[in-house]
Amino acid sequence: DQQVKQNSPSLSVQEGRISILNCDYTNSMFDYFLWYKKYPAEGPTFLISISSIKDKNEDGRFTVFLNKSAKHLSLHIVPSQPGDSAVYFCAASAGNYGQNFVFGPGTRLSVLP
Amino acid sequence: DGGITQSPKYLFRKEGQNVTLSCEQNLNHDAMYWYRQDPGQGLRLIYYSQIVNDFQKGDIAEGYSVSREKKESFPLTVTSAQKNPTAFYLCASSPHRDNRPYEQYFGPGTRLTVT
Repeated sequence: DQQVKQNSPSLSVQEGRISILNCDYTNSMFDYFLWYKKYPAEGPTFLISISSIKDKNEDGRFTVFLNKSAKHLSLHIVPSQPGDSAVYFCAASAGNYGQNFVFGPGTRLSVLP
Repeated sequence: DGGITQSPKYLFRKEGQNVTLSCEQNLNHDAMYWYRQDPGQGLRLIYYSQIVNDFQKGDIAEGYSVSREKKESFPLTVTSAQKNPTAFYLCASSPHRDNRPYEQYFGPGTRLTVT
């Protein structure tokens, strides 16, 4: 049973437009969420995180929104650039140290020039 | 430069052989992790270690073993007992602050193929 779901395996967006990647979770104990970006044959790189005490966090072109009541978070990328083309993983943790990171299956974003 | 290194990038082994994947970090992180990624799936936790000489099983530890004799190093052995060892293996480390899990820093990965 997947605790972290990314229901869209892939997404295509035109360069300059907004990319919205979605993530849903089932465990109400999750209170810290992260987004990672991964290029083929490389390790994931950390993008942005959000604590459950917030509903929004911004870092440059990247904004993460958290809707706790819906158990849903989203990553917005504005404007999208071709270099953003990668697989994006959502991850969640439930308070205890380290071992409770749970990753979603990922969404492949393609930004078309 | 600080970071995590994994070697080798590609590894080929015959079925029935044990193989050890290397992971080294110079970020001074206390915690280190091993994940496995299969096509179309997220990262699944194999083992993690919060401190030297201590490690815990993750969700899919069967057929794997680890050691943590030094803070910088967390090698993973894929034993012949692992039924489906062919996968992409990722090592990560994270800082320890306020007893909270924070962002993990990943190595470049090792693709293991067992035939």
